[in-house]
Amino acid sequence: NAGVTQTPKFQVLKTGQSMTLQCAQDMNHEYMSWYRQDPGMGLRLIHYSVGAGITDQGEVPNGYNVSRSTTEDFPLRLLSAAPSQTSVYFCASSYRDNYQETQYFGPGTRLLVL
Amino acid sequence: AQSVAQPEDQVNVAEGNPLTVKCTYSVSGNPYLFWYVQYPNRGLQFLLKYITGDNLVKGSYGFEAEFNKSQTSFHLKKPSALVSDSALYFCAVRDYRASGGSYIPTFGRGTSLIVHP
Repeated sequence: NAGVTQTPKFQVLKTGQSMTLQCAQDMNHEYMSWYRQDPGMGLRLIHYSVGAGITDQGEVPNGYNVSRSTTEDFPLRLLSAAPSQTSVYFCASSYRDNYQETQYFGPGTRLLVL
Repeated sequence: AQSVAQPEDQVNVAEGNPLTVKCTYSVSGNPYLFWYVQYPNRGLQFLLKYITGDNLVKGSYGFEAEFNKSQTSFHLKKPSALVSDSALYFCAVRDYRASGGSYIPTFGRGTSLIVHP
């Protein structure tokens, strides 16, 4: 298994540009989520999904959109990039089974917005 | 609502000494508690979890954590620290309830562990 994969690893955007961060998992996990990591702020939840076709907002959803058309993929869209969105973005997935509950994280995408 | 606090931004310990990284939580229902570790330029890796059962949980790399319901704490411990344990450690909590709970855990701000040779 490849686990959780994220592309790209690094991206530079100009203010106002849009882009999609890709996330895929091959473990047939029901739950998927996107976090951003900023110094001193820890991990903050942006959006999450509990299954294909079902998404919900997390703590910091403004400026981001998600969709979950398949179990495997959970892309994160930046509609109009702003410097405040400069961060490291992590995608994670987990089983729905409580006793197997463990978050598997991707390697992250470093985003710089100029 | 669920929340978790890691009161120390940084913990310094000498190699061979015991280490403790603190975590306290707040939930309305039952807590599912987790510890993750992040090495530089890497994603987070699972260390251990408490779902139910014994309050002392053993995990990867010799780490353990003790669930204390009365103090709402879940401190991470290791009897003898290694330089290679130096990393960023995150505590996380999920509020489990039969109805109205949370699907996704909330993470703390992280504690940087520095083990000196």
